[in-house]
Formats: sequence, structure tokens, C-alpha cells
Amino acid sequence: GQNIDQPTEMTATEGAIVQINCTYQTSGFNGLFWYQQHAGEAPTFLSYNVLDGLEEKGRFSSFLSRSKGYSYLLLKELQMKDSASYLCAVRDNTNQAGTALIFGKGTTLSVSS
Amino acid sequence: SQTIHQWPATLVQPVGSPLSLECTVEGTSNPNLYWYRQAAGRGLQLLFYSVGIGQISSEVPQNLSASRPQDRQFILSSKKLLLSDSGFYLCAWSPASGGEKLFFGSGTQLSVL
Repeated sequence: GQNIDQPTEMTATEGAIVQINCTYQTSGFNGLFWYQQHAGEAPTFLSYNVLDGLEEKGRFSSFLSRSKGYSYLLLKELQMKDSASYLCAVRDNTNQAGTALIFGKGTTLSVSS
Repeated sequence: SQTIHQWPATLVQPVGSPLSLECTVEGTSNPNLYWYRQAAGRGLQLLFYSVGIGQISSEVPQNLSASRPQDRQFILSSKKLLLSDSGFYLCAWSPASGGEKLFFGSGTQLSVL
């Protein structure tokens, strides 16, 4: 089976940098994803890591260490609109669902001015 | 370009009533299709996935069923709703090849009273 852990809540101020951690345990790791979800809306894709290292995309970066079962999402120059839930998800190629993503419970980020 | 449509956006149903949520995908063929549920304070839970017409797999035993009568149509149903069926239901698709990410519909907020 799979187990994905991430903090429940985080707070930060505008302009700051925040790092959201995610640890996972899977039988057959085949990619890690980060999604952003505003309240009452569908998740939107942020980043994808399948190899170790850092993937940078504008203000958002995501890091993966497969040996440690660890990832983080780094958000720079925080804006009020970044207040949302951030979902860590993994694809497990031993899962019967194949291409489905298994999600953590999400981290609710609150950005204050 | 590909789009995914999901309806209705909100639904209030009494306990014991039937349910039918519909999802359609445009602009792609033979997609993998998924139903997820997000209960209050919980993460996204995979309910059903489908790799082709008439091919449905269930991840968890429950009061719900799914059907795929056409290549790009995925339906979530129940004969008799329970209070515990309340939640935010999300349809998603990914390319048949697996692809890198899931694309989500806009979601249905279901309240069973």
C-alpha cells in the first residue's frame, strides 16, 4: 500500500518563502506530483518529479529524493492568492489502479499581509 | 485541446435517494477515467477508475457504483444515498499512455441530508 504524510496547516506572510514537506512510502514509485486546490475548486497541477533533484517553475519549485521517500514544494515571493491547500500525490506502478494518483491529505497554507 | 465537463456543480439529496453524476471528456480518445471523493478534512480518495468502455475497477467497497457507457463518458451512481456519501466528488482523466498528470473536472459538492 501507500502512505503519504504532509503537515496539516502552515502559515506565512506575503513576500516570504515557504517549504511544504511530503514523505511517502510506496511499493513501486513512479512519480510524485504537487497540486494546488482552492476551497471548493478542483485541484490544479503544479509540478511533477520522477527523478531526484529540483524542478523549478517560476515562483514554485519541487524537490525529490527517492532514496529518502521525501519531497518538498517551495513557494517564493508569497502572494495572498497562494492561500490554498497543497496536495502531494504519488503514482505507484504496483497499484492495481495503474495510472491513478494516490493523494495525501493536503497542507492548508494561509498567507497573511 | 482537451476539456473535461462534470455536472452538476452542487447537489442536495435526501438519504435513501438515488444519485447520478456525469463526466465527459472532449478532445482525446480512450482516456483513463477516475472518480475521486474528498470528504471534509480528508484527502482525495480514489473511488473508481476505468481504462476502457465497460471496464470499471473499484478501489474501496462502498455504496456507489460507476459505469462507462461510452469512451469519454463516466458516470457515478448510487441506488440509495447514505449520510456518509456527502463530499466533494471529482472526475479526472489522463492519457491512455499514462502521461504525467491527471486533469480534474470542476467537481460536484454533494450534501446528503
